[in-house]
Amino acid sequence: DGGITQSPKYLFRKEGQNVTLSCEQNLNHDAMYWYRQDPGQGLRLIYYSQIVNDFQKGDIAEGYSVSREKKESFPLTVTSAQKNPTAFYLCASSTISRDEAFFGQGTRLTVV
Amino acid sequence: QKEVEQDPGPLSVPEGAIVSLNCTYSNSAFQYFMWYRQYSRKGPELLMYTYSSGNKEDGRFTAQVDKSSKYISLFIRDSQPSDSATYLCAMSLNTGGFKTIFGAGTRLFVKA
Repeated sequence: DGGITQSPKYLFRKEGQNVTLSCEQNLNHDAMYWYRQDPGQGLRLIYYSQIVNDFQKGDIAEGYSVSREKKESFPLTVTSAQKNPTAFYLCASSTISRDEAFFGQGTRLTVV
Repeated sequence: QKEVEQDPGPLSVPEGAIVSLNCTYSNSAFQYFMWYRQYSRKGPELLMYTYSSGNKEDGRFTAQVDKSSKYISLFIRDSQPSDSATYLCAMSLNTGGFKTIFGAGTRLFVKA
């Protein structure tokens, strides 16, 4: 089945720790995105990538980093510089020519 | 003022009712309009995708765009308990999802 796989589903981070969220897609999409979702707010774009080895900051990139070494993979690292990381993180992908984004099932990150 | 405004609800209706969900927006340059359905603790799934003004129907769902009023709607006919979810509107200026702006979502409950 084609789709986007995010792992883990739940993740706990200690203060000062970096954590990496995984995102893999087999839809052959060129573009991939990371969004953050907080209660009562719309999805906010963290980073996006339209091609391998290239990515751009979104609206709230501070405290996050990404890589795009393979077309299928777009991992997100939440660094210790992100002061309020507790949120629901969503990875998505799309073709370049259309805005229809397909989402993974999300990773819920909690700081403990 | 947010670029996209969406009433958070919750909206509670009896089974079989017609549901109307709405979003307003401020940027007249938006051209692509989308509705996503998000079940609790899951990623959003695309329901409807429309370009410019007009109506689009898919089964029990109808999306309506009124660019002159900067207003979009999603109608659900014969609502079912399985329609209980959060509905997110989204819109973008052009292709390339990094320009997509999401509403905060409306929570819908359909009572059996």
